[in-house]
Amino acid sequence: KQEVTQIPAALSVPEGENLVLNCSFTDSAIYNLQWFRQDPGKGLTSLLLIQSSQREQTSGRLNASLDKSSGRSTLYIAASQPGDSATYLCAARNQAGTALIFGKGTTLSVSS
Amino acid sequence: DTAVSQTPKYLVTQMGNDKSIKCEQNLGHDTMYWYKQDSKKFLKIMFSYNNKELIINETVPNRFSPKSPDKAHLNLHINSLELGDSAVYFCASSDRDRGSEQYFGPGTRLTVT
Repeated sequence: KQEVTQIPAALSVPEGENLVLNCSFTDSAIYNLQWFRQDPGKGLTSLLLIQSSQREQTSGRLNASLDKSSGRSTLYIAASQPGDSATYLCAARNQAGTALIFGKGTTLSVSS
Repeated sequence: DTAVSQTPKYLVTQMGNDKSIKCEQNLGHDTMYWYKQDSKKFLKIMFSYNNKELIINETVPNRFSPKSPDKAHLNLHINSLELGDSAVYFCASSDRDRGSEQYFGPGTRLTVT
């Protein structure tokens, strides 16, 4: 049974810092992995999707990596800004068309 | 041009009532889902529905029943609401042949009093 864990649960950094959010999964036979952002009281915004055959994906200041053999993914945020403050969720999918299995998220606070 | 929409956004009701939440996607996706986000913000799958095949999460009480009139709609009906049903319910959709990236609706905050 797939389980997804995110560490740390909360993170506070000053503006401008580069930071890494960690995600681990127990079953390495994943189909893909998706990173989301959730602002308080809002829905989920998809940030990056990494297919199982890919090692990383980039979008602007965000870079997500995937290492299936070690069961890990990281989300790298460069030059953090106060607007990056939100909860970041990692979710793994075991097969095409199946549901996502979520971690409990990392709540990021970036201070100006 | 909303991709995944849900109605209502907020729903306040009393224990024992029956209520429905509607979901529509205009992305042409073939699979739709319902997720529940509890008070601790943990998201968990309730149902997925692909081309008339319903996959039910075994922990979901049978008071919850999804209904899909067509590929673009997946509604959630809840009978005999209980206090523990209070949560945010998210609808999502994806396409099996297009990488399966999931897109989420804005959520419906259900409060049972």
